[in-house]
Parts: sequence; structure tokens; C-alpha cells
Amino acid sequence: QVQLQESGPGLVRPSQTLSLTCTVSGGSIGSGSYYWNWIRQPAGKGPELIGRIYSSGSINYTPSFKSRLTISMDTSKNQFFLKLNSVTAADTAVYYCARVGYGLSGSDNWFDPWGQGILVTVSS
Amino acid sequence: EVVLTQSPATLSLSPGERATLSCRASQSVSDYLGWYQQKPGQPPRLLIYDASNRATGIPARFSGSGSGTDFTLTIGSLEPEDFAVYYCHQRSKWPPSFGQGTKLEI
Repeated sequence: QVQLQESGPGLVRPSQTLSLTCTVSGGSIGSGSYYWNWIRQPAGKGPELIGRIYSSGSINYTPSFKSRLTISMDTSKNQFFLKLNSVTAADTAVYYCARVGYGLSGSDNWFDPWGQGILVTVSS
Repeated sequence: EVVLTQSPATLSLSPGERATLSCRASQSVSDYLGWYQQKPGQPPRLLIYDASNRATGIPARFSGSGSGTDFTLTIGSLEPEDFAVYYCHQRSKWPPSFGQGTKLEI
């Protein structure tokens, strides 16, 4: 089955760029009707979608992140990426990658599966 | 953005009891509402999709209901492994959003 794994630095300095990679196994990110998503969850709060990239390469950013966010993918490596600029302490959170279907049936249109998550702390 | 408000914030019950969790949307999301369970150190796990359908492998004691703006997750008879945080999530309007969670504690 499809599995996702986040990787990247666990500590980022304020005003710097947060860069994460999601490596997907068990399925190709460049095919099928799926969005590949970045979601974050600050401690004690609900999850929050940051943005997503479709298997064709089309990208959607959540409005509150749009000005400082870049999402991209490398189908040859079966990876997709997050770059969040100008980070502050408010960006400290567990960051997840997750898959969601588009126009499919049943549970395929919901966030599943998820990676295990990576804690990113923004601090000097 | 659709705001999802969950209540109560914390629910204290005992194994064997019935749990009722609520989620209210700031505007209609039709039946594009799902429920997730999250345990410490783990990602959210899909329980219910399209308001009332159980995801694969989810026990029958979990059920969902509602449409439009008011939704309910019911756990029929609590098992020890059910004590966790539960989030509702809507995919009707962009951007998709989650509630702030209900912590189900013993």
C-alpha cells in the first residue's frame, strides 16, 4: 500500500526557510487522480492544510500561506517538497504529508494515508 | 473559510459508556464531512467519511450522522483504545478545514 515519509531539519532559525521532503512508496505521485498534500498541526490544535500538488503538477496554496509557500514535486524520485519562507515561532508544528483523491469514490477522497509527521521547531 | 466548531472540548467517560461528539460548520458542507481519530505521537486516522460511512477496518461501534451544518460522531460502547482526540474535517469548500478537536478521556 501507499506509504509517505517526511524528512528535513527539525530546527529552523527565525526568518529562514523551512524545507521538507515527502517520499512516497507503493504508488507513483505522477499518476492517478490524487493530490499530494502538506498539512501541519501546532501542539494542542487541529490540523491545518498548507497546500497541495496534483499528480499533473497543478498546485493549490491555502490563502494564509500563499505569499511565502512553494510546493513542488520530482516524479523521478517519487518525492514532493515544501518550502516555507520567513518562518516565525508561529510556524512551529508537526508537519505531515498526506494523499487525497480527486473525483474518486468513497474514502479515497479523504486524507489517507498520512506520513508519521515531523516536528519542526522555529527558534534561534 | 468554513469554520468547524467541535463540542465539547473534553469529554470524560468510562469504558462501556456511549460517547456523543458534535461538530458544527459555519456554513453548509452538505455531507462532505469526515471524522478522524488521533492518538499521541500518531497521525490522524480516518474513521468516518461522507458524514456517515465507516472507513475500512473501523469497528461498527463508530457511527456518524448529520448533514448541512450539524454533525455527530457516536461511539456506541467505549473500548479502552477509543480514548483519544477526535477531529471533524470538511472538504466541501476550499480550503479544506478541520475542527479544533474533542479530547475523549477516561
